[in-house]
Amino acid sequence: DAKTTQPNSMESNEEEPVHLPCNHSTISGTDYIHWYRQLPSQGPEYVIHGLTSNVNNRMASLAIAEDRKSSTLILHRATLRDAAVYYCILRDYNAGGTSYGKLTFGQGTILTVHP
Amino acid sequence: DGGITQSPKYLFRKEGQNVTLSCEQNLNHDAMYWYRQDPGQGLRLIYYSQIVNDFQKGDIAEGYSVSREKKESFPLTVTSAQKNPTAFYLCASTHRASGRRTDTQYFGPGTRLTVL
Repeated sequence: DAKTTQPNSMESNEEEPVHLPCNHSTISGTDYIHWYRQLPSQGPEYVIHGLTSNVNNRMASLAIAEDRKSSTLILHRATLRDAAVYYCILRDYNAGGTSYGKLTFGQGTILTVHP
Repeated sequence: DGGITQSPKYLFRKEGQNVTLSCEQNLNHDAMYWYRQDPGQGLRLIYYSQIVNDFQKGDIAEGYSVSREKKESFPLTVTSAQKNPTAFYLCASTHRASGRRTDTQYFGPGTRLTVL
């Protein structure tokens, strides 16, 4: 499985931008980069995903390095509700080229947002 | 509203007892999953099912069993054979059984199981 590396924790102030990094140096050419986040005592929720180009949605932006060995999740204006564990995940595929959709979670980055 | 429901939210069990965790989805999703999460850790896959009446073991299936008799339901039984069952259990589903790279996974609110 292609693995990801994230900082254990990061801090931000409310209404400031947050850049959450993820290294995935062994990513394959067809792996998509997914980001999920998990609020305290809740199930994870999807944030964003991408392959090569930068992506934007209502929650966040995803910046992907040209060599795809790293990516950055950008929260443009952090709020207290953004305090969560953020997971950077590469999709997992079996040898047949299809996937049963398994998500391989690391420990993620704990984001603390200060008022 | 469409979504995934898990019940109960908190569950206490005595050692040696089997217990079943419920997971229901009304998203018409094909695939369903069970994950386990221990404090400060990421999620680990227990079982998954791509279609009714079929399921496969994940990374940590020992001591657990599942069934998939209906598309919308995927209950998980934690048996007495599971040595350390105290954990947070999460159920999830995905639209396409083929698990296309772009398909997102939707999670339920979780069940916190404590063995006394």
